[in-house]
Amino acid sequence: GQNIDQPTEMTATEGAIVQINCTYQTSGFNGLFWYQQHAGEAPTFLSYNVLDGLEEKGRFSSFLSRSKGYSYLLLKELQMKDSASYLCAVLDSNYQLIWGAGTKLIIKP
Amino acid sequence: ETGVTQTPRHLVMGMTNKKSLKCEQHLGHNAMYWYKQSAKKPLELMFVYSLEERVENNSVPSRFSPECPNSSHLFLHLHTLQPEDSALYLCASSQVPGGSGANVLTFGAGSRLTVL
Repeated sequence: GQNIDQPTEMTATEGAIVQINCTYQTSGFNGLFWYQQHAGEAPTFLSYNVLDGLEEKGRFSSFLSRSKGYSYLLLKELQMKDSASYLCAVLDSNYQLIWGAGTKLIIKP
Repeated sequence: ETGVTQTPRHLVMGMTNKKSLKCEQHLGHNAMYWYKQSAKKPLELMFVYSLEERVENNSVPSRFSPECPNSSHLFLHLHTLQPEDSALYLCASSQVPGGSGANVLTFGAGSRLTVL
């Protein structure tokens, strides 16, 4: 079966760096997405990786290794507003999105 | 108004009620989706519409009935639901279903459904 694994919850300190991992086992691969979802709000698109390597976008970076079935989202200079759930999703060979259960990130002052 | 708008934001209904969830997008997208989000579980795709035609139904119980009258509007009609159907129902839209990075979804804030 198809599976996406990511930690259920993580805690970090304001101003620090945190890395949220995502491992996947899917039928084919056509890209990996990261979404951010604040409590009670819509998930919003953060990043898309289809080639190996690191994509940087301001304080957020996303990394992909297709051979390892692995991605991470790196958040730098953490702010209180970064407290949210982070959803990892993979587009499989049929262009179906397979979702992880999300990682709840708690930022402490 | 821009983005994806869902109404109502909160809904409480009994098991014998009939209600509907509404979704509207003003992004010019041609695909719309219903997802179910339960606590600590992955998003579950329920229905996909492309150009107003249903292209996917992931074995959803018949007590959920979708309707897509045009490319901007999507409804989810609810009838004789069960308590386990209590969840957040998210609507999303995209440019095209499937296909590369163009498949970025824009979500609404969701309708929180509680079935008593």
